[in-house]
Amino acid sequence: DAGITQSPRHKVTETGTPVTLRCHQTENHRYMYWYRQDPGHGLRLIHYSYGVKDTDKGEVSDGYSVSRSKTEDFLLTLESATSSQTSVYFCAISGLAGADTQYFGPGTRLTVL
Amino acid sequence: KQEVTQIPAALSVPEGENLVLNCSFTDSAIYNLQWFRQDPGKGLTSLLLIQSSQREQTSGRLNASLDKSSGRSTLYIAASQPGDSATYLCAVNSSNDYKLSFGAGTTVTVRA
Repeated sequence: DAGITQSPRHKVTETGTPVTLRCHQTENHRYMYWYRQDPGHGLRLIHYSYGVKDTDKGEVSDGYSVSRSKTEDFLLTLESATSSQTSVYFCAISGLAGADTQYFGPGTRLTVL
Repeated sequence: KQEVTQIPAALSVPEGENLVLNCSFTDSAIYNLQWFRQDPGKGLTSLLLIQSSQREQTSGRLNASLDKSSGRSTLYIAASQPGDSATYLCAVNSSNDYKLSFGAGTTVTVRA
C-alpha cells in the first residue's frame, strides 16, 4: 500500500467551527488531491496540489481552502463548517498528473452537526 | 464537463459467475481510464489503468476494455468469488486538465 495517512479518521463538529484535515505521504509524490465522497455522487475533487505551495481548485471548492508547505503534507481547511460538508474526505497522491495511478488514503469521516 | 455513468448501481451474482461492469463517459478526449475497488469504510484501491491508446488491460482475473470513440469501458471479473464483493468505481482522466471524474460506482455482491 502507498504510504498515505489521514488524520483524524473520524470527527464530529458543530456548525460554524473551523476544521482542518491532514494528509501525510511518505512516497515523495508531487501531486496531491482532496476529494469528498457522498452517496449518489461518487467522488468529487475539492482541491489539488502540483507542488509545494502550488494548489488549484477542483469541482467543489467553495467553502474549502488548502495549504501545502511541505511535499509530504496537504491540509484541507473548512473555515466555517456547515452541515452540507458532512461527508467522507479522501486524500490521494500521484507521481505524474494524468499519466499515473492515483493512490488513496483511508479517508476521514466528518460529521457537522 | 466530463460525465461518467456506471450501470447497474448494484449487482448480485452467485459464486463462479463472470462479472461484467459497465462505465460510460461523455467526452472521448481522455488521457486514461482507471478502475478502482472500494470496500465498505475503506479507501480506494487501484485495479487497472488503461491509457487512451490501449484497447484493454489485464491483471489476473480482471480484464478491462476501452472503446474511446463510443465512450465506454467494461470491467470483466472472471469466476467471481465472495471476496470480490465490493464497490467498483470507474474514473476518467480528461486530457485537458488531468483531473479524475468518477462514476457513482457499481456495488457487487457475490453469493457463496
